[in-house]
Amino acid sequence: DGGITQSPKYLFRKEGQNVTLSCEQNLNHDAMYWYRQDPGQGLRLIYYSQIVNDFQKGDIAEGYSVSREKKESFPLTVTSAQKNPTAFYLCASSTLPGDRVRYEQYFGPGTRLTVT
Amino acid sequence: AQKVTQAQTEISVVEKEDVTLDCVYETRDTTYYLFWYKQPPSGELVFLIRRNSFDEQNEISGRYSWNFQKSTSSFNFTITASQVVDSAVYFCALLNNDMRFGAGTRLTVKP
Repeated sequence: DGGITQSPKYLFRKEGQNVTLSCEQNLNHDAMYWYRQDPGQGLRLIYYSQIVNDFQKGDIAEGYSVSREKKESFPLTVTSAQKNPTAFYLCASSTLPGDRVRYEQYFGPGTRLTVT
Repeated sequence: AQKVTQAQTEISVVEKEDVTLDCVYETRDTTYYLFWYKQPPSGELVFLIRRNSFDEQNEISGRYSWNFQKSTSSFNFTITASQVVDSAVYFCALLNNDMRFGAGTRLTVKP
């Protein structure tokens, strides 16, 4: 089945540690995205990538880093510089936004990160 | 700048009532897409509908219907004869080069 996988579903870390969230897709989508969701709020864009080895900052990139070494994978690292890392993180993939006729975007199941 | 506003933070209705979720957007672009997603308690986002800026036809899918009006920059979502399973957070989103989401509306349908 085609889809997006994020693991783990729940992640706990101590303050000051970096943590990497995985996101894999087998939909052959060119674009991948990371969003952060805080309780009672919408989704805010952290980073996105439209091609391998290239990525762009979203609205709240500070304290995060990404890599896109393979088309299928877009891991997100939450660094110790991120002041409030506890949140729900959603990964998405899509066809390129320029392909407006066939554009589709799918979301993974999310990872709930708790930092104490 | 692109922006999506969902003014209703929470709505509570009794089963079988109709309910409309409002979405107002801002964009300077003439070509864009609008989306509605449902987020049940499990957290995963479920795609409901996509409309492009050149198609203002209203759409109906079962108990769901969408009213897109460019004149008022609105893309409202109506659930007819609501059911308990409709309880979720609903997000409106605007796509151009990236996708911007509204803050969401939490719908609670009571039996």
